[in-house]
Amino acid sequence: GNSVTQMEGPVTLSEEAFLTINCTYTATGYPSLFWYVQYPGEGLQLLLKATKADDKGSNKGFEATYRKETTSFHLEKGSVQVSDSAVYFCALSDSGGGADGLTFGKGTHLIIQP
Amino acid sequence: DAGITQSPRHKVTETGTPVTLRCHQTENHRYMYWYRQDPGHGLRLIHYSYGVKDTDKGEVSDGYSVSRSKTEDFLLTLESATSSQTSVYFCAIRPGTGASGRDEQYFGPGTRLTVT
Repeated sequence: GNSVTQMEGPVTLSEEAFLTINCTYTATGYPSLFWYVQYPGEGLQLLLKATKADDKGSNKGFEATYRKETTSFHLEKGSVQVSDSAVYFCALSDSGGGADGLTFGKGTHLIIQP
Repeated sequence: DAGITQSPRHKVTETGTPVTLRCHQTENHRYMYWYRQDPGHGLRLIHYSYGVKDTDKGEVSDGYSVSRSKTEDFLLTLESATSSQTSVYFCAIRPGTGASGRDEQYFGPGTRLTVT
């Protein structure tokens, strides 16, 4: 079956630090990959996506590259801000049959200190 | 804003009582989903719908039923609530029209359900 593995944290960084949140996946088909962000008390917001190998998704200074050879989709940002504090979810959507829907990692709680 | 609302936003109920959560969308999307979010588990798919009266089970469907009598509404029912169903429930839509399911989804604000 499909699965997504990501570091759970909490990950604590100082403002302006470089951020990496690792995400690896297993899939039966050829998935699309996503990063979602959840701010306290809110629903999930799509942060970025990639639909094929070597695609780079980017948004709000965040980037992630679809690496099929390493089955990874690591999230990076060059200089984090306090406002980036949130929970980040890596997810995949697979065309390989079975139930429709996204498969999520457990989420990474990111805390940015001023 | 994907035009998704959920009601109620918060609910406390007692074990053994029936509970229905509502998801409403304003953009006539064909695909709708219900997930639950629990600490240490991320989000897990409960049920989904691919059209009016067309639904199917997800990963954690036991104890839940769904109905979709109109395109805009997708209802999740807990027939007899248990404490293990205390969770935050999210509805989502998928704007793509294809059956392959590789598109992104957009989420509602969530319903926090506590079963005492």
